[in-house]
Amino acid sequence: SQQGEEDPQALSIQEGENATMNCSYKTSINNLQWYRQNSGRGLVHLILIRSNEREKHSGRLRVTLDTSKKSSSLLITASRAADTASYFCATDLDYNQGGKLIFGQGTELSVKP
Amino acid sequence: DTAVSQTPKYLVTQMGNDKSIKCEQNLGHDTMYWYKQDSKKFLKIMFSYNNKELIINETVPNRFSPKSPDKAHLNLHINSLELGDSAVYFCASSSRVSPLHFGNGTRLTVT
Repeated sequence: SQQGEEDPQALSIQEGENATMNCSYKTSINNLQWYRQNSGRGLVHLILIRSNEREKHSGRLRVTLDTSKKSSSLLITASRAADTASYFCATDLDYNQGGKLIFGQGTELSVKP
Repeated sequence: DTAVSQTPKYLVTQMGNDKSIKCEQNLGHDTMYWYKQDSKKFLKIMFSYNNKELIINETVPNRFSPKSPDKAHLNLHINSLELGDSAVYFCASSSRVSPLHFGNGTRLTVT
């Protein structure tokens, strides 16, 4: 069964605006990761947040994690046209659940110049 | 220097044929994976190998058989291809201290 669900499915913004994507999941996790996929390419790892962390930053990326609500958000500040891509959250399950990484369906971000 | 490389990039074939996709990683990772991405971009794990040993084998038809000759290679062989097998197949690798590194995918089209 699908673990993560992203919201919105598609997001279109102007360059310079902030983009916020949300991810919800169903079971307990070790960590949650965000990946980016450019058209026709493989996924690229962006950031990992552990289950005992609440917020993490990397450059223009800010990730939050609320384990009580089983949700995470990815904020991209001052977006650029090059940020246009699909963004996926992925949950690394508890050891007792096999430890495999399960992906959501992604948010398609379009940043217009 | 492609870290995870898979070939071919495109594969068009007819129903009933047998085909293989090859994957190699030069990152020194000990775990390799095959993922399938459907037309709605939903990415689902198929197999995972750790040091040549199968550790994850999701509910995948027996027509799909992974083979890992060494920990740097993980190939995927598909027998009797069906229309529903059309998708993009991604190879990936990781280690205990590294997140997933993906190849650029193989777009399989079964006609």
